[in-house]
Amino acid sequence: AQKVTQAQTEISVVEKEDVTLDCVYETRDTTYYLFWYKQPPSGELVFLIRRNSFDEQNEISGRYSWNFQKSTSSFNFTITASQVVDSAVYFCALSDVGNTPLVFGKGTRLSVIA
Amino acid sequence: DADVTQTPRNRITKTGKRIMLECSQTKGHDRMYWYRQDPGLGLRLIYYSFDVKDINKGEISDGYSVSRQAQAKFSLSLESAIPNQTALYFCATSDSSGENTGELFFGEGSRLTVL
Repeated sequence: AQKVTQAQTEISVVEKEDVTLDCVYETRDTTYYLFWYKQPPSGELVFLIRRNSFDEQNEISGRYSWNFQKSTSSFNFTITASQVVDSAVYFCALSDVGNTPLVFGKGTRLSVIA
Repeated sequence: DADVTQTPRNRITKTGKRIMLECSQTKGHDRMYWYRQDPGLGLRLIYYSFDVKDINKGEISDGYSVSRQAQAKFSLSLESAIPNQTALYFCATSDSSGENTGELFFGEGSRLTVL
């Protein structure tokens, strides 16, 4: 069975600090997708990234970066120089290569304090 | 207009009432899903459908039923609502092929309160 663990329930940082959100996954599949979604206080779910298990390259998008390590089954998300607008709940999710529904972690609530 | 539309957005009802949450999409996706969000529990899958003739139970299907009326429509019913079904419900769609395979596109959510 697939499982996603986000051990950090809540994180609070001061603006401009860097913060890393952890995601550990379990799957028996050899090919799979990993995702991160953001849920701001307004409640909608915003797609951030999809990573194919074949591609272990780290990815950077502006202040966001993702570190995918198959050896530790982790797909961690780092926000550099955090801003108040980054305050949200962040979900990590897993599916096999598009053939099963996404399984979500319980989410990490990030609060960035000005 | 949103690509994935949920109605109603908010609903307060009483125990024992029948409730239907509706979802329609204009993305042309073949797959549709209903998830439930509770604080601290993340998003849990209720039902999903990979095409019009396909219905599958998810992790927490007890007390719920669904209907896929057309490729673009997927409704969730609570036959007899109970207070612990108070939650935020999300409909989502995905494409079985193409560059966005696997990615879920979510509606804005339907907040249901059962008194």
